[in-house]
Amino acid sequence: EAEVAQSPRYKITEKSQAVAFWCDPISGHATLYWYRQILGQGPELLVQFQDESVVDDSQLPKDRFSAERLKGVDSTLKIQPAELGDSAMYLCASSLGLDGGVEQFFGPGTRLTVL
Amino acid sequence: AQSVTQLGSHVSVSEGALVLLRCNYSSSVPPYLFWYVQYPNQGLQLLLKYTSAATLVKGINGFEAEFKKSETSFHLTKPSAHMSDAAEYFCAVSEASGTYKYIFGTGTRLKVLA
Repeated sequence: EAEVAQSPRYKITEKSQAVAFWCDPISGHATLYWYRQILGQGPELLVQFQDESVVDDSQLPKDRFSAERLKGVDSTLKIQPAELGDSAMYLCASSLGLDGGVEQFFGPGTRLTVL
Repeated sequence: AQSVTQLGSHVSVSEGALVLLRCNYSSSVPPYLFWYVQYPNQGLQLLLKYTSAATLVKGINGFEAEFKKSETSFHLTKPSAHMSDAAEYFCAVSEASGTYKYIFGTGTRLKVLA
């Protein structure tokens, strides 16, 4: 069964360091999402790609976060510099396309701890 | 803007008892609605979705949900809880146009007592 892959699964870093997360969506899925999930809360969309283009990054803290999906397949989310408040689970999801009611398939997530 | 409210951050039921997890949404037009389940240190898995077809939606693992437009609700139920149902459950609403992005509720952690 096809799955969304993410790495690393766990990351511990110190404040002010740079971190990067990688996501490989299900093959053929044109839409890719990065979410941040703070403990005890629901996922919050950070950025959404359609192929290689960003269609929504309204909640992405652009002073320190960046995301790319250069070839419209896998994607990288970067934080530089990391802050204590960035400690959270970062989830990647993918879907076939932009359409109402389309299911998003989630990866296992990367749990980030900033010390 | 769309929003989702899940009443009860923690719900405990006995094994074999009815499970009822509540979700209310705010939307001026009929939205798309979803229930996802998350097990510890894992991603989210779709339980069921409402896309303006039947108002009673059946999902996986014996769960179902009923869309009630007059109450702006989409509560999740299961007739008989199993120990394996212990997890966190998220209700989400999708915009009906544009990027169709999801807005998630804050989640309800279900505990099943033996």
